[in-house]
Amino acid sequence: QVQLQESGPGLVKPSETLSLTCTVSGGSVSSGGFYWSWIRQPPGKGLEWIGYIYYSGSTNYNPSLKSRVTISVDTSNNQFSLKLNSVTAADTAVYYCARGRSNHRYWGQGTLVTVSS
Amino acid sequence: DIQMTQSPSSLSASVGDRVTITCQASQDISNYLNWYQQKPGKAPKLLIYDASNLETGVPSRFSGSGSGTYFTFTISSLQPEDIATYYCQQYDNFPRTFGPGTKVDIK
Repeated sequence: QVQLQESGPGLVKPSETLSLTCTVSGGSVSSGGFYWSWIRQPPGKGLEWIGYIYYSGSTNYNPSLKSRVTISVDTSNNQFSLKLNSVTAADTAVYYCARGRSNHRYWGQGTLVTVSS
Repeated sequence: DIQMTQSPSSLSASVGDRVTITCQASQDISNYLNWYQQKPGKAPKLLIYDASNLETGVPSRFSGSGSGTYFTFTISSLQPEDIATYYCQQYDNFPRTFGPGTKVDIK
């Protein structure tokens, strides 16, 4: 059974960089032809797709965030990561990692990141 | 971006009731539509993919239909454990976009 787990700071200061890592267990990020995505959800609001990465390093980002986001993969540690720079309070959200670029069958539990000084 | 709308935004129904949620896309997305269930404090769970295919292990009281721009999601007999927010999501185009959600509770 594939499991995903997000990790990273829960508090980030405005204008700084949000960095999160998703560790995958029960499967490999570099096998099976799967894509690996990040999705976020501001408190009390809906879901926003951030982007995805393939193990080869190919990425696709939401244009609304494209200038600030980088998703990378670390096949040796079976992880993929999210960096979002120049954050503001509007980036406060629960961040989820998930498998797939279309149908997200496996999700992490989510991690709340608050942007505040 | 493809805009997804859902109706209603919330509903209250009795146990055993039939519940229907609609989802509309701003352009034709064929059948590239998912339905997710999200309970408070939890990650979304995929229930329906390709507009009408039931995900493995999901109870048969859940169903989906539609194509093009208009889709429906139905719970044939509402159960207490179905209390959640339901989201549609299109995957015909990038960026992937979600509907605003429909909150379902028990009357």
